Amino acid sequence: EPEVTQTPSHQVTQMGQEVILRCVPISNHLYFYWYRQILGQKVEFLVSFYNNEISEKSEIFDDQFSVERPDGSNFTLKIRSTKLEDSAMYFCASPGPPSPGNTIYFGEGSWLTVV
Amino acid sequence: GEDVEQSLFLSVREGDSSVINCTYTDSSSTYLYWYKQEPGAGLQLLTYIFSNMDMKQDQRLTVLLNKKDKHLSLRIADTQTGDSAIYFCAESTGTASKLTFGTGTRLQVTL
Repeated sequence: EPEVTQTPSHQVTQMGQEVILRCVPISNHLYFYWYRQILGQKVEFLVSFYNNEISEKSEIFDDQFSVERPDGSNFTLKIRSTKLEDSAMYFCASPGPPSPGNTIYFGEGSWLTVV
Repeated sequence: GEDVEQSLFLSVREGDSSVINCTYTDSSSTYLYWYKQEPGAGLQLLTYIFSNMDMKQDQRLTVLLNKKDKHLSLRIADTQTGDSAIYFCAESTGTASKLTFGTGTRLQVTL
């Protein structure tokens, strides 16, 4: 299975601090996604990013959040002034190799705990 | 908006078949997916089906799609203890579109 790599795997941060989550998606794809999963709940779409621009975002993705592609291979999600309710698993996703379908592969996730 | 629903829990005996069901509301869904999530782990893509297909088989997995009823199912033949996990159904409306996930079904396999 194609690999999407995320760092850190787990981060504990104090409320009000800024957090940066990193992702290295499958190479040669211009689409990247971030999703969030609060413990015990469903996986929720946050934002999609195409060709260095946000292509779609959910109502969860407010001004507290931002995404960047600081270099050719990394993709970051920044959460400013974290709140307790931001505690969740954050997944990066990327389309897989060209195929007849629309395969979306997820990283192992970054578990964020806000205390 | 789009909504995807699944039953929360399923328990089966090892060696039996498991059938996990999913319903969705978006009639423009183009691709439908099944993901597996083991405790503390990421989302593993198991299989997907294009909306113009009724069935897809991949080794022990069989996906059935009833587009008229907007119903998707995943059958796991000869269920093993290693199949114990949460299974998420998801849909998208086009290539590279966002995924909308169901609530997840926790599959418990007993000896």
